[in-house]
Amino acid sequence: DVKVTQSSRYLVKRTGEKVFLECVQDMDHENMFWYRQDPGLGLRLIYFSYDVKMKEKGDIPEGYSVSREKKERFSLILESASTNQTSMYLCASSKQGAGDYGYTFGSGTRLTVV
Amino acid sequence: QKEVEQNSGPLSVPEGAIASLNCTYSDRGSQSFFWYRQYSGKSPELIMSIYSNGDKEDGRFTAQLNKASQYVSLLIRDSQPSDSATYLCAVIDTGGFKTIFGAGTRLFVKA
Repeated sequence: DVKVTQSSRYLVKRTGEKVFLECVQDMDHENMFWYRQDPGLGLRLIYFSYDVKMKEKGDIPEGYSVSREKKERFSLILESASTNQTSMYLCASSKQGAGDYGYTFGSGTRLTVV
Repeated sequence: QKEVEQNSGPLSVPEGAIASLNCTYSDRGSQSFFWYRQYSGKSPELIMSIYSNGDKEDGRFTAQLNKASQYVSLLIRDSQPSDSATYLCAVIDTGGFKTIFGAGTRLFVKA
């Protein structure tokens, strides 16, 4: 069964900590994405990558960075966690030419910053 | 700002009825359209895709697309309580990389 795996289901971090969220896919997909989902705001794109070592800013990149050293792994980094980054974080992947295939999502990481 | 609009609901239908979910989008150049289902506390899962004007059927689900009106809909026939979820409409933007999601419509199917 093809899969997008996020390393943590629940995470609690302190304000100011550096936080790493990991995402691994086993489908040989070129495209990977990080979204956050908040009640009433829907899914908002943070960063995406269409190739190894490539990254593009999404709609809300401030306070975040990403790393894609290998095709299967896409990491989201919160440089200095703040309480307004408390959210559900969803990783997704798709084949090149995403218009044909849609996304496969990971199970999500619910991050709480205290 | 490219947008995808959905009625947030909740939409409540009795078991066995047809549930009709609607979506409009602002990017006239969009070519690819999707419906995702998201159960409470879970991540979205892809249930339908549509690229051409008209209807596309898959089991109890029918997606409808009208590019001239910039309108996408999802019909669920013979609705079941297990269909109760939030349904997200999604549109690939003209550039072809980014998916724009609607905020979702909550559906309740009453037994």
